[in-house]
Amino acid sequence: AAGVIQSPRHLIKEKRETATLKCYPIPRHDTVYWYQQGPGQDPQFLISFYEKMQSDKGSIPDRFSAQQFSDYHSELNMSSLELGDSALYFCASSSIWGSKANEQFFGPGTRLTVL
Amino acid sequence: DAKTTQPNSMESNEEEPVHLPCNHSTISGTDYIHWYRQLPSQGPEYVIHGLTSNVNNRMASLAIAEDRKSSTLILHRATLRDAAVYYCIDYGGSQGNLIFGKGTKLSVKP
Repeated sequence: AAGVIQSPRHLIKEKRETATLKCYPIPRHDTVYWYQQGPGQDPQFLISFYEKMQSDKGSIPDRFSAQQFSDYHSELNMSSLELGDSALYFCASSSIWGSKANEQFFGPGTRLTVL
Repeated sequence: DAKTTQPNSMESNEEEPVHLPCNHSTISGTDYIHWYRQLPSQGPEYVIHGLTSNVNNRMASLAIAEDRKSSTLILHRATLRDAAVYYCIDYGGSQGNLIFGKGTKLSVKP
């Protein structure tokens, strides 16, 4: 079965540079979530989109922005990168037409390293 | 903040059952109890969920206390591949995000 695809899998950037992370949800899933997991930390919710509209916002810095496109893929744009942005970034998708409990399916993550 | 509390770590022997407890004393009447796990170097993975009744699926069983203030994830026969961090999540549904707490790191010994 198709899973959530994230690209790139690894990314190395310098401080103050920008980065773009991409997420391709499972086909027919209409909701995308972004999570950040710092070293030794638990995943923290950043932002989510339902049907291309922002649906919820967590602890996402103002330097970050995201959007969901007409084909349902999503991109997380990160500017003025800081050392503390080094983390694993997970994308998850779900479908409102799935079970009532709305299981989220996670991608393999993008490991961002800021030097 | 996470609304659940779990032990930091647990150990199990291979092929033995494992009971992972979770307290969610402030859970509302309509919130689901979700369990996810995160294997090393992978994204979180859905395990099971429940509302009031005990639940079984191919991965695990979920036993929910009658007052819904606690639950227990049961792995019937732990394997080495079950070594992971297990997260219990009080989930309000409606396409909302997951709030991960500290989770329980399960180690499985051969």
